[in-house]
Amino acid sequence: DAKTTQPTSMDCAEGRAANLPCNHSTISGNEYVYWYRQIHSQGPQYIIHGLKNNETNEMASLIITEDRKSSTLILPHATLRDTAVYYCIVRVAGGTSYGKLTFGQGTILTVHP
Amino acid sequence: NAGVTQTPKFQVLKTGQSMTLQCAQDMNHNSMYWYRQDPGMGLRLIYYSASEGTTDKGEVPNGYNVSRLNKREFSLRLESAAPSQTSVYFCASKVVGPTGNQPQHFGDGTRLSIL
Repeated sequence: DAKTTQPTSMDCAEGRAANLPCNHSTISGNEYVYWYRQIHSQGPQYIIHGLKNNETNEMASLIITEDRKSSTLILPHATLRDTAVYYCIVRVAGGTSYGKLTFGQGTILTVHP
Repeated sequence: NAGVTQTPKFQVLKTGQSMTLQCAQDMNHNSMYWYRQDPGMGLRLIYYSASEGTTDKGEVPNGYNVSRLNKREFSLRLESAAPSQTSVYFCASKVVGPTGNQPQHFGDGTRLSIL
């Protein structure tokens, strides 16, 4: 699975959009980009994933660059409850690893009032 | 809809004691996973079960055993607990679809301390 690079921490004002970048310059054509977050003392929560097209769901939007070497997770109107560690994970769908997720250090997002 | 349920939420053991961590999912998922998370580290895969009746080792299986009791339940057993197994344990599950890209869904974890 491709290695990802994320900033260690970011801040965002409540009500503003939070844009979390992820670099995955060694991504392969069959690898998906997944985003999870972990709020203190809770299990990781799935947010969104995509292959090459931009994706949107009720939680967030995922923007993947045309060359797929980087992506941005967008939380359109951040709230205090969005304060968490955000993980960008790149992995092949299926395969012999059968879904193993490799969590890096992630980005600590702090939303301020 | 409970999702992935783990029991117990907290446990303290003495070195050498045994215990079983329970995990159940109500989403009719095929695959289930056990991870551990240590301070300052990401999640590490202990064991997984691709489907009912199968189990396979992950990155850090030593000291653990698992049982896929049925489609819903996947348990993790520590036969002789060691202080190095003090950690937060997470269970996850996912459906296996035609493209294999479905996400995993996690429980809220079991916080295990071994003295």
